[in-house]
Amino acid sequence: GAVVSQHPSRVICKSGTSVKIECRSLDFQATTMFWYRQFPKQSLMLMATSNEGSKATYEQGVEKDKFLINHASLTLSTLTVTSAHPEDSSFYICSAAPGTGANEQFFGPGTRLTVL
Amino acid sequence: SQQGEEDPQALSIQEGENATMNCSYKTSINNLQWYRQNSGRGLVHLILIRSNEREKHSGRLRVTLDTSKKSSSLLITASRAADTASYFCATDSGGYNKLIFGAGTRLAVHP
Repeated sequence: GAVVSQHPSRVICKSGTSVKIECRSLDFQATTMFWYRQFPKQSLMLMATSNEGSKATYEQGVEKDKFLINHASLTLSTLTVTSAHPEDSSFYICSAAPGTGANEQFFGPGTRLTVL
Repeated sequence: SQQGEEDPQALSIQEGENATMNCSYKTSINNLQWYRQNSGRGLVHLILIRSNEREKHSGRLRVTLDTSKKSSSLLITASRAADTASYFCATDSGGYNKLIFGAGTRLAVHP
């Protein structure tokens, strides 16, 4: 149980285009989902927290107009990188929390974004 | 900085040896978690230790927590090549369900 999927696993796009990444909790309902960004050989940096049906809360320094987050249902959150640039190339990881306490989060396998 | 500190940044050992990784954090916590990440993959939860616990075991893993020093350690005993991965600590100091990750330790176990 507690499986989180991400799609796509890898994506290559041209500068200026937008890319959507999906995060799904497959066997539980996620009251909260989180989006992280990870540069090579570095740690995970929290980008934003999203709760179903409400606006996402972005961490300081993360542009909300560039990284659009939608949490339309209790099992799906999407991250759209708008007008992507090469510096947006990174590993994006989502996690989902069922809200059962103990700070439980289940992580997706990540999406490797490369912007040419 | 959002992150705590982990040391060493990289650790290279032989199979069968023990590996110890340390994590320090800055603010008070309710719990601390350790995760493992294979290269280019997502995170796997290893163990959670609460602020009122001092030590916890899970298989070959042993985690200690010293809240007075704001530090934790992860010990992997009798390491295997398959333990090669990056290991991160994460605290809940960001608020409910909000995890703050340490910088991570890259462990390489050589056969």
